[in-house]
Parts: sequence; structure tokens; C-alpha cells
Amino acid sequence: AQSVTQLGSHVSVSEGALVLLRCNYSSSVPPYLFWYVQYPNQGLQLLLKYTSAATLVKGINGFEAEFKKSETSFHLTKPSAHMSDAAEYFCALGRGGYQKVTFGTGTKLQVIP
Amino acid sequence: DTAVSQTPKYLVTQMGNDKSIKCEQNLGHDTMYWYKQDSKKFLKIMFSYNNKELIINETVPNRFSPKSPDKAHLNLHINSLELGDSAVYFCASSYRDRGFDEQFFGPGTRLTVL
Repeated sequence: AQSVTQLGSHVSVSEGALVLLRCNYSSSVPPYLFWYVQYPNQGLQLLLKYTSAATLVKGINGFEAEFKKSETSFHLTKPSAHMSDAAEYFCALGRGGYQKVTFGTGTKLQVIP
Repeated sequence: DTAVSQTPKYLVTQMGNDKSIKCEQNLGHDTMYWYKQDSKKFLKIMFSYNNKELIINETVPNRFSPKSPDKAHLNLHINSLELGDSAVYFCASSYRDRGFDEQFFGPGTRLTVL
């Protein structure tokens, strides 16, 4: 079965510090992986996606993620946190021709001034 | 120039009532989805339509019935509302034929059943 696990439902970082949000996946076929961000009272917005073209994927707002097959991981990073990064982040796994996406349980990022 | 829009944004109703949520996308996508996000932010797909054809139908009570009059619209009708239906419902859309493309989400409809 396909699944996504996000480690840590809450992560707090200081402004200017490194952001690291963890995501591990389980998939029997090469996965499509995504990171989405959800700001309060809004819908989800795509940060970046992995589709096997390159293992290091750069996204919007300075975020990037690295696909590591050996570790079945797709962790999200940003070198320097900004107050505006405070939001809920979802890792997601796509599979199949029906575009079905399985979302992780989300990680709420808090940025401390 | 809203890409994916949903109406209403908030919906407060009594148990047992029937309600509908509407979704429209102007991105020219051929696939649309309904997701339910519970109070713990867990997001789960409910339905997906491709060119008006139902292609994903997760384990959802029969009280929920999606309808797609055309590929730009996907509505969700809920009969006999229950307390457990309280959640935020998101509509999304994407291209099916561009590999595995990103999904664009609407702003959500917060349903509260009293």
C-alpha cells in the first residue's frame, strides 16, 4: 500500500534558522512526491514536486526537497526561516493514472521571532 | 481571475438537512476532486471526476453525491447531514494527461453541522 508519513506534527524554528520538515514514503512503484503549503483559512498551494527528473527539487519561496530512494525520504528544507513561512505543510504521494494523491498528516511550522 | 472557486465559503446547518457545495475551475483542467479535511487537518480524497466521468470514489457514505455537469464544474450534494460531516471541504483540479501534474485547490468550504 502507498503511504506517506510526516514526522512531527509541530515544528518550531527561530526566524533565520534552518527549516527541516520530514517526510517518508512507502510505494511499490516509482513515486510522484509533492509538498504543499496551507496558510490559515486557505486552500493548499504547491511548493514543489518530484517526478524523477532530478533528485534535488527546488520550489517556490526558497524551499527545496531531496528525494532519497535508499531512505524512502523526501524532506523539505529552507536555509533561513521567515515569519511568513508559518503555515501547515503537507507531503503527498501520487500514484496511478487516476491522479490519486495520498496526503500526509501535515506539519505545522511555527516561526519564532 | 480565480482559478478554483467554491461556494459557499461557510455553511452552518442543522443535522438532517440537505446541502450542496459548488465548485468551478477556469484552468481548462479535465479532472476535478473533492477532499475532506477534518479538525486535525487530515486531508482525504472523496471523489474525482475526469471529463464528467467518476474515476475515484473512496469509501464515502451514500449521503454524499457528486455531480459534474461539465468538466469545469463539480458539485457536492450531501443528504441528511450528520455531526461528523463537519469539516472543511476542498475542491481541486488538474490535468490528467500531463503525467502526474499538480492539483490546484479551491479556498475551501467550512461546513458546520449543529
